[in-house]
Amino acid sequence: AQKVTQAQTEISVVEKEDVTLDCVYETRDTTYYLFWYKQPPSGELVFLIRRNSFDEQNEISGRYSWNFQKSTSSFNFTITASQVVDSAVYFCALSESTGNQFYFGTGTSLTVIP
Amino acid sequence: DAGVTQSPTHLIKTRGQQVTLRCSPKSGHDTVSWYQQALGQGPQFIFQYYEEEERQRGNFPDRFSGHQFPNYSSELNVNALLLGDSALYLCASSYHRGANQPQHFGDGTRLSIL
Repeated sequence: AQKVTQAQTEISVVEKEDVTLDCVYETRDTTYYLFWYKQPPSGELVFLIRRNSFDEQNEISGRYSWNFQKSTSSFNFTITASQVVDSAVYFCALSESTGNQFYFGTGTSLTVIP
Repeated sequence: DAGVTQSPTHLIKTRGQQVTLRCSPKSGHDTVSWYQQALGQGPQFIFQYYEEEERQRGNFPDRFSGHQFPNYSSELNVNALLLGDSALYLCASSYHRGANQPQHFGDGTRLSIL
């Protein structure tokens, strides 16, 4: 069965600090997709990044970067030089090969203090 | 380019009543998924509609039903409301082609059961 675990419930950082959000997943599928979404207080889930299971290349996009390691079933997300606008709840999600159903973690609430 | 729109924004019902929530997908999208997000939790998949049929369903009772219209918009119906149905209901849309395309979410409908 698919499962996503975000062990960090709440994180507080001071503005301009780097912060890493952890995500560990479980799946029996050999092909799967991993996502990070941001949920500001307004409620809308905003898509940030996607990674497929057969591409472990880690990338940087602006202030966002991610570290995907199949050996440890982890998909961690890093924000560099954090800003107050980054304050939100961040969700890691797993999608099976059919892509129909997303499995979300319980979220990590990030507060960036000015 | 309109994103995913949901109505109403907020709704208050009493136990035993029935409710209908509505969703219009992002322009160009033909697939609609519904999620329930309880307070402090990640979204839980209810079901997905494509070509006016339920394509996949999560672990939700038959009290939860849906419909998709020819214009791709969708409704979520919940019968015999329970206190535990109080949650944020999120609609997400995507295009059926392209495995695991990121789902785009609306702002949600916050349902409160008294």
